[in-house]
Amino acid sequence: GAGVSQSPRYKVAKRGQDVALRCDPISGHVSLFWYQQALGQGPEFLTYFQNEAQLDKSGLPSDRFFAERPEGSVSTLKIQRTQQEDSAVYLCASSLQLAPSYNEQFFGPGTRLTVL
Amino acid sequence: DQQVKQNSPSLSVQEGRISILNCDYTNSMFDYFLWYKKYPAEGPTFLISISSIKDKNEDGRFTVFLNKSAKHLSLHIVPSQPGDSAVYFCAASKTSYDKVIFGPGTSLSVIP
Repeated sequence: GAGVSQSPRYKVAKRGQDVALRCDPISGHVSLFWYQQALGQGPEFLTYFQNEAQLDKSGLPSDRFFAERPEGSVSTLKIQRTQQEDSAVYLCASSLQLAPSYNEQFFGPGTRLTVL
Repeated sequence: DQQVKQNSPSLSVQEGRISILNCDYTNSMFDYFLWYKKYPAEGPTFLISISSIKDKNEDGRFTVFLNKSAKHLSLHIVPSQPGDSAVYFCAASKTSYDKVIFGPGTSLSVIP
């Protein structure tokens, strides 16, 4: 398919374990975003890449969270020493970011992370 | 401090009638507004957007109205269909290249 894909779809981790979440954006999309969605809430911005450059990481909740997009395509969100409060759905989105798209973003299905 | 608010967590509407979903925002720097629709176990999908230079944008059964002075926007769905049952997120950004801030969502149920 031509959409944004994320893997794994579900991840259960023990508290203290490190996890890595993968995002494959739509081919040719310049911008890539990571969001965290807690139950019953809207997606909350974590970080933003334009090609391989991480232009905004103001939403990352702590230094345990790290994201990369080394070749400007696939991105990985890594969470070190997971805590129970990290349990959420992690959404990836990509965008062409060419006017007049008005920041239209295409979302993947998300990775549901449960930390026990 | 929630910058984008959707004060109705849920809404039920009869099939064929109008659905009106409301959204308020606090940041006067927001210039672009978007609505996303989300089905269970899927990511949000873009529905419709509006720039602050307009007060209305229409796309088929979906119309978004923007009242900048009141910092309020609404999404109208006419006529509502059972397939419209989903969670609707209002979102805003300062520029077309800035991060998007989402509201908490409104769950719409369209009853056949």
